[in-house]
Amino acid sequence: ETGVTQTPRHLVMGMTNKKSLKCEQHLGHNAMYWYKQSAKKPLELMFVYSLEERVENNSVPSRFSPECPNSSHLFLHLHTLQPEDSALYLCASSQDVLVINYGYTFGSGTRLTVV
Amino acid sequence: EDQVTQSPEALRLQEGESSSLNCSYTVSGLRGLFWYRQDPGKGPEFLFTLYSAGEEKEKERLKATLTKKESFLHITAPKPEDSATYLCAVRREGGGSYIPTFGRGTSLIVHP
Repeated sequence: ETGVTQTPRHLVMGMTNKKSLKCEQHLGHNAMYWYKQSAKKPLELMFVYSLEERVENNSVPSRFSPECPNSSHLFLHLHTLQPEDSALYLCASSQDVLVINYGYTFGSGTRLTVV
Repeated sequence: EDQVTQSPEALRLQEGESSSLNCSYTVSGLRGLFWYRQDPGKGPEFLFTLYSAGEEKEKERLKATLTKKESFLHITAPKPEDSATYLCAVRREGGGSYIPTFGRGTSLIVHP
């Protein structure tokens, strides 16, 4: 177990559905991230939260809506997605947005398929 | 704009056949270069952070080195369990940017 837990592991949703991805960390980290990983592409940063405050929104469409109720939990709310949104969605955490010694701790991801 | 290019895209080795993966980068002032390992169906796992040219770090059969333009991940006498995708990322110094730029990765397969 990596210390960052993501649920569900797999999700199939229709384009008109609304669903949420959940991420939880018990590492005492202050920063949490959402990344999108598509085949043959580099990891794409979506959102960054530092102490529950969103500090980065990397030009993500409004059909993706993040929520960080506390420093241990992060959600990604999904609605009216497109097939091209199918990908592996990764949550990560780090001690702080500025501390880089130990990199990020990633969860195992949610494999999302939009039909 | 920061850029990270990893080569080769894919690499097949026989068990025990040592080799190196390359990560070339362009960044205006390097704060740190990171290596991660990613197994199929899992998230990346942090391996190393390198900070300055000439620095080296080792972990079991892996050794990472850094120059001003590139980093190498040397794999000595690899085993099948070293099969994974290896990701490289860089983070820029200052400028308010604290987000790393990732490369596309090198997929390594080690045959027994």
